[in-house]
Amino acid sequence: QVQLQESGPGLVKPSQTLSLTCNVSGGSITSDNYYWSWIRQPPGRGLEWLGYIYHSGSTTYNPSLKSRVTISIDKSKNHFSLHLSSVTAADTAVYYCATYNWKDEGWFHPWGQGSLVTVSS
Amino acid sequence: DIQMTQSPSSLSASVGDRVTITCRASQTITKYLNWYQQKVGEAPKLLIYAAFSLQNGVPSRFSGGGSGRDFTLTISSLQPEDFATYYCQQSYTTPRTFGQGTKVEFK
Repeated sequence: QVQLQESGPGLVKPSQTLSLTCNVSGGSITSDNYYWSWIRQPPGRGLEWLGYIYHSGSTTYNPSLKSRVTISIDKSKNHFSLHLSSVTAADTAVYYCATYNWKDEGWFHPWGQGSLVTVSS
Repeated sequence: DIQMTQSPSSLSASVGDRVTITCRASQTITKYLNWYQQKVGEAPKLLIYAAFSLQNGVPSRFSGGGSGRDFTLTISSLQPEDFATYYCQQSYTTPRTFGQGTKVEFK
């Protein structure tokens, strides 16, 4: 069973770049079955899909953030990463990594436990 | 983007109640609809995928239905561990989008 774990700074200054890594265990990041995803949730609010990456390096991003978000993959380390540039307080959220099972209808499972990132000076 | 609208936004219920949550998509999504449960301080957990398929390990009191634009999540007999927030999510197209959530609270 694949397990995911986010890591990265919990505090980022405004205008800087937020960077998080998701470590994948219990399975290979080169699996053909999955896209590797980032989803966020501002405090007390709903869920927003940020984008995902396939092991080939192909990416799809949410157009609402497309100009600021980059997702990359490191097959040698079995992890993938999120970079969100020019952050503001509105980017304060719990950031989740998740596996997107794209075959058949597609769904997010499993999820990491989440990493709270606060944007503040 | 496909907008997902859940109703109600919150509800109060008692243990043993039958609870139904609805989710409407702004356009047809055939059966590309998933349901998640989120407890306070935890990550969302997949309950139902492809509109009505129960994820492994999820109790059979949970069921999903619908197709096209309108979908339901039903809990046949609410248990104490079911008090949580529930989200629908469409996988018909990108960007993948979620409903705003339905919070199930104790009456």
